[in-house]
Formats: sequence, structure tokens, C-alpha cells
Amino acid sequence: EAGVAQSPRYKIIEKRQSVAFWCNPISGHATLYWYQQILGQGPKLLIQFQNNGVVDDSQLPKDRFSAERLKGVDSTLKIQPAKLEDSAVYLCASSRGVFSTGELFFGEGSRLTVL
Amino acid sequence: GQSLEQPSEVTAVEGAIVQINCTYQTSGFYGLSWYQQHDGGAPTFLSYNALDGLEETGRFSSFLSRSDSYGYLLLQELQMKDSASYFCAVRGDTGGFKTIFGAGTRLFVKA
Repeated sequence: EAGVAQSPRYKIIEKRQSVAFWCNPISGHATLYWYQQILGQGPKLLIQFQNNGVVDDSQLPKDRFSAERLKGVDSTLKIQPAKLEDSAVYLCASSRGVFSTGELFFGEGSRLTVL
Repeated sequence: GQSLEQPSEVTAVEGAIVQINCTYQTSGFYGLSWYQQHDGGAPTFLSYNALDGLEETGRFSSFLSRSDSYGYLLLQELQMKDSASYFCAVRGDTGGFKTIFGAGTRLFVKA
């Protein structure tokens, strides 16, 4: 089966600009996650969707970050305006559902550099 | 809330056995997972424990003690390719069963 697809793989922007990342999860996976991973740190959960509803966005900086999952499939994560500290890899993951065995399938990530 | 602690670095020699510990605090517990991540790569799933005891998958084993809020990943017959970061991750049973990751343990395997 095809894995989690993300684009773009790399993005360089200046602070105060905006950026959007796209994620296509594994077909049939109900749960979709966006994580932020700063170099040398563990992935930090930004937002979790169950189908097209948000089940947790407590760590999402809502003044600048937004995310949506249209029709319960693809998802986009947007940052506007970007700050220097947003430089990180943005990982999208999916799983069969919250009651699955706990395995998250990750995409290759989108590496953001904010100058 | 949820938090996890694991050692930042571990070094071992090829062919040896290494254990990476993880302690966690969570308001509700559903399971503990382990992931491997090579530099520049995506995290990949290694194992999942929901109940106490040992789970074995090839050279890798994972252990969980729910009463101690503790788990470990055991890597046997270490190979150079095992040099990577290893993350424990806890799934709570509140807030949408979200999965929170630890800061990771960097494993260096020496020849």
C-alpha cells in the first residue's frame, strides 16, 4: 500500500511570510496527525484529526497555525505569519483509528527553514 | 498532561545488547510505543505494549510495567545500522487518545 505522502519536502521562507504543507494519508486511515519536530527533539503533536473532526489541537499555536482535513482525507497545515522558531520538520502521520494497535505511519516530512 | 523521560544518549558496541528505558506520566494510559528514526528520515514503528510484559519482534523486544509507569526497548545483536534515535511514545486514553513522544535517545553503535 502507498505510504503517507507529504509536500513540499523542503521550503525556505523569510519570517512573516506564509507557508502551507499538504498531507495525503494512507487510504482508509481515519486518524491523521501533524507533528512538529525541531532538530534534536522528539515530535511534538500539533493537531490530531479523527476523520474530518479535530480531536486535539491543544498544542497548536492558533494565532499563526491552522489546519484542516477536507472530506476526512487530505490535510493542509498553514503557518501565517512564520517566525524564526517555526524552523522544523513538519511530520504528517496516519493510523487506522484511535483504537488500533498504536502504530502511526509517518510521511517523510516537510522541512521548513525560516530566515 | 503527559510527559516521558528517556536517556539522551547511549553508546554500545556491535554485537552487544542495549536497553533504553522510558518512564512516563499520563493522566490516562492506553499504550506505549517505540519508534526508530535515522537522521533525515521519518520515524518508523518498532513495537507497542498495551499490557504488562515483554513483546518480542526479532532482535527488538519491548517491555511494559503499567504499575511502575515504565517501559524499555531491548536491542540485541547490535548492528551498525541500528545507530539512530529511538523514541518512546505514550498514548493516553483522554483527549482523543493522542500520542505524545519523548525527547528521544540517540544510540551510537561502535565497531
